[in-house]
This record gives sequence, structure tokens and C-alpha cells, in this order.
Amino acid sequence: GENVEQHPSTLSVQEGDSAVIKCTYSDSASNYFPWYKQELGKGPQLIIDIRSNVGEKKDQRIAVTLNKTAKHFSLHITETQPEDSAVYFCAAYSSASKIIFGSGTRLSIRP
Amino acid sequence: EAQVTQNPRYLITVTGKKLTVTCSQNMNHEYMSWYRQDPGLGLRQIYYSMNVEVTDKGDVPEGYKVSRKEKRNFPLILESPSPNQTSLYFCASSPGGGGTDTQYFGPGTRLTVL
Repeated sequence: GENVEQHPSTLSVQEGDSAVIKCTYSDSASNYFPWYKQELGKGPQLIIDIRSNVGEKKDQRIAVTLNKTAKHFSLHITETQPEDSAVYFCAAYSSASKIIFGSGTRLSIRP
Repeated sequence: EAQVTQNPRYLITVTGKKLTVTCSQNMNHEYMSWYRQDPGLGLRQIYYSMNVEVTDKGDVPEGYKVSRKEKRNFPLILESPSPNQTSLYFCASSPGGGGTDTQYFGPGTRLTVL
């Protein structure tokens, strides 16, 4: 079946540094790629998304890039802050109306 | 306040005892979905619904049932729960019928099946 691979599973960065999380998808018909942030005890919350007709999207310190040829997309967080510590999930919308999530990345920001 | 609500938030039950987890959204969204979250596996889609009376299987539908009789409600039914269904469950909704919009997640239901 279709799948989304996400790396790394854990990431620790110094406060103020950048963090990058990468995902690869298998369904070439996927056309919508959201990123969700999940804080402890809460449901995931959308932080940024990108559609297949766009190569990059930025929202303040967060950016997402998409390479359709290679079938991978990445989340970039610059100038990391303690409140960025959370679990991040990528997802891909497949052609069968299903949404497939990556396995998650636990991001820790070191003071 | 626009939100997705789930009940109960926590549930401990025994093998074979039928249970229902309710999900309701007040945003008039067409698309609703159920996920289970397990360590190292992320979120896996159980069932989804693109509109009233339209439901379809996700990646892990075995052992679950759903119904969508009204737009706002999308209950998850476990007819005969088993220990491997112990998990954290999330309901979500999004405006578009195909799910290619922001999904709004509920707070989660932690289920333990003994």
C-alpha cells in the first residue's frame, strides 16, 4: 500500500538553531502535503501545508519544500524556540481520498 | 467555538464488550475521519467519511465500524474490542469533501482493552 517515511524519529537542536524534518511518499498522485504539530496530551494541529503545484511555502520561521520528482518534502524551522518542542507529523493525501501520516519526529530544543 | 469533541476521553474496558466513541464537530465540515495513534507508527487512518451516508475504509479498518447519519457526528464502534485495539484515538474533520484541507483534530480518546 501507499506509505510515507519520515526522518529522523528524534531530533535535538540548540535553541536558535534550525531543524529539518524530511518525508518521502510513495503515491505519485499525492497532491496535498500538510505538517502537523502535536503537543503533549493534545491532538495534532496544522502548522503549514503545501500543494503539488507549489515548490516552497513559508510562514514566518516555518517553511516547507516539495520535490515532486523525488517524491519528498521537508519541514524547516529556523531560529528554534523552546515552544517548538513537540512531535511533528508529515502527511500525504493519496489518490484514494486517504490521508497517510509519517511516523512522527520528536523535536527537542536544548536551552 | 469551532471544535471537534470526542467522548469519552479515557476508557478502560474488557475484551468483547461493545463500545462506542462519539465524535462531533460544529463547523459544518463534510469530511470526517478516525485515526489511531501508536508509538512508532504515527497516525493511521481507520475510516473516513466524505459526506453523510458516505464512508470508506482507511488503512486499518479491521475490528471497527463507523456511521455517518448526520453531518456533525461520526461515531466509532468497536463491536468486540480486543487488547490490540488499546490505543489513542483521534477524530478529525475538514471542510472539503476530499480531505485536502486543514484537518481539525479532537482531543483524543485513550482506550485500554484488558
